[in-house]
Amino acid sequence: QQQVKQSPQSLIVQKGGISIINCAYENTAFDYFPWYQQFPGKGPALLIAIRPDVSEKKEGRFTISFNKSAKQFSLHIMDSQPGDSATYFCAASPAYNTDKLIFGTGTRLQVFP
Amino acid sequence: DAGITQSPRHKVTETGTPVTLRCHQTENHRYMYWYRQDPGHGLRLIHYSYGVKDTDKGEVSDGYSVSRSKTEDFLLTLESATSSQTSVYFCAISESTVTNSPLHFGNGTRLTVT
Repeated sequence: QQQVKQSPQSLIVQKGGISIINCAYENTAFDYFPWYQQFPGKGPALLIAIRPDVSEKKEGRFTISFNKSAKQFSLHIMDSQPGDSATYFCAASPAYNTDKLIFGTGTRLQVFP
Repeated sequence: DAGITQSPRHKVTETGTPVTLRCHQTENHRYMYWYRQDPGHGLRLIHYSYGVKDTDKGEVSDGYSVSRSKTEDFLLTLESATSSQTSVYFCAISESTVTNSPLHFGNGTRLTVT
């Protein structure tokens, strides 16, 4: 019940295309869903996050879609660029206990020119 | 980058030897965390601290201990390293545990146990 399942494990997208990464959770106590971006040799960094009071959140080319009934959320990267090539992690936790953040297994995105 | 320094950045050690990894922050954040990152497992919490001398176990704490004697330093110790502890270790900090206080990660320590 504590797991966050992430797919796909790897993703290859052409420049200008849409990258979609999916995550699913079981624990209904989770109500904070961040995405982290990690470049090689670096630590993960917060990219965008959503609470379940909204079904979608957009920041620039990055959008989180959230489906509370299905307990699923996804990251969409529009107009994907080679600079977006990185590993992406979804995560989930209760909103007031982010010390209990559970991470997905990661998706390695490669964007080719 | 948030002011987080992990040392060493790389270490190779032999099975059975003790190893200590250090995390130093200059942000004066209350919360500090140690994660390990392994292919197919993502990031898993080892231990965390919510203040000086206050620590708690995470998901994968067996074989690890931590200490925090100062706000800025959080040490992770492998008392007797095993090959299964070969991993990349990340330190993270946060100001609080509410959603407007995200985790900030260091750049990791790559540990190889031979």
